[in-house]
Amino acid sequence: AQSVTQLGSHVSVSEGALVLLRCNYSSSVPPYLFWYVQYPNQGLQLLLKYTTGATLVKGINGFEAEFKKSETSFHLTKPSAHMSDAAEYFCAVSPFPGSQGNLIFGKGTKLSVKP
Amino acid sequence: DADVTQTPRNRITKTGKRIMLECSQTKGHDRMYWYRQDPGLGLRLIYYSFDVKDINKGEISDGYSVSRQAQAKFSLSLESAIPNQTALYFCATRASSNTGELFFGEGSRLTVL
Repeated sequence: AQSVTQLGSHVSVSEGALVLLRCNYSSSVPPYLFWYVQYPNQGLQLLLKYTTGATLVKGINGFEAEFKKSETSFHLTKPSAHMSDAAEYFCAVSPFPGSQGNLIFGKGTKLSVKP
Repeated sequence: DADVTQTPRNRITKTGKRIMLECSQTKGHDRMYWYRQDPGLGLRLIYYSFDVKDINKGEISDGYSVSRQAQAKFSLSLESAIPNQTALYFCATRASSNTGELFFGEGSRLTVL
C-alpha cells in the first residue's frame, strides 16, 4: 500500500534559520508529490508539486523541495524562516501518475518559528 | 469570493442529531472530496465523487453519507452524530485532467456534545 511518512510532528526553528521538513513515501511507481500548507483557521493550499522533469521544484514563499527517487524522499526546505511561515505542512502523494488515484496525505508537521 | 465554499464554518450539535455540511464550488471541477482532519492524524478521506453519478467511499465512510446534487455541489451528512465525529471537515475539488492537485475549502468545524 502507498504511504507517506512525515518525520517529526512538530519542528521549531529560529527566525532566519533553515527550515527542513522531511517527507518519505512508498510507491511502486514514480508518483506525483505535493506539499500543502495550512495556516491557522484556514484550508490547505498548494505550496509546490513534483510531477515529471526537474527534480528540484520551487514553490511559493521561497520554499523548495527535491524529489530523490533513490531515497524515496521529497523534503521541503527554505533557507531562511520567517515568522509568517508558522503553519502546518502536509506532504501528499498521488500514487498513480495521471488522472487516477486519490492523494494520500502524511500526518502533518507543525512548524513553529521563534523570534 | 472563495472558489470552494463550505457551510456552516462552525457547528455545535448534540449526540444523535442529524447534521449536513454543504460544499459548493465555482472552479468547474468534476471531482469533489470530503476529508476529515484530526490532530496528529492528518487528513483522511471520507467520500469522493468523480461526477454526479459516481460516488465512492473513502477510508472512513462509516457513519457518513453524501449527496452530489449537481456538479458544483457536494454535501456530507451525519445521520446520527456521535462525539468522536467531532473534527474539522474539508471539502476539496480537482479537475480530472490535472496532475492531482486538490483545491480546498476553508473547513467546517463540527463539535458533537
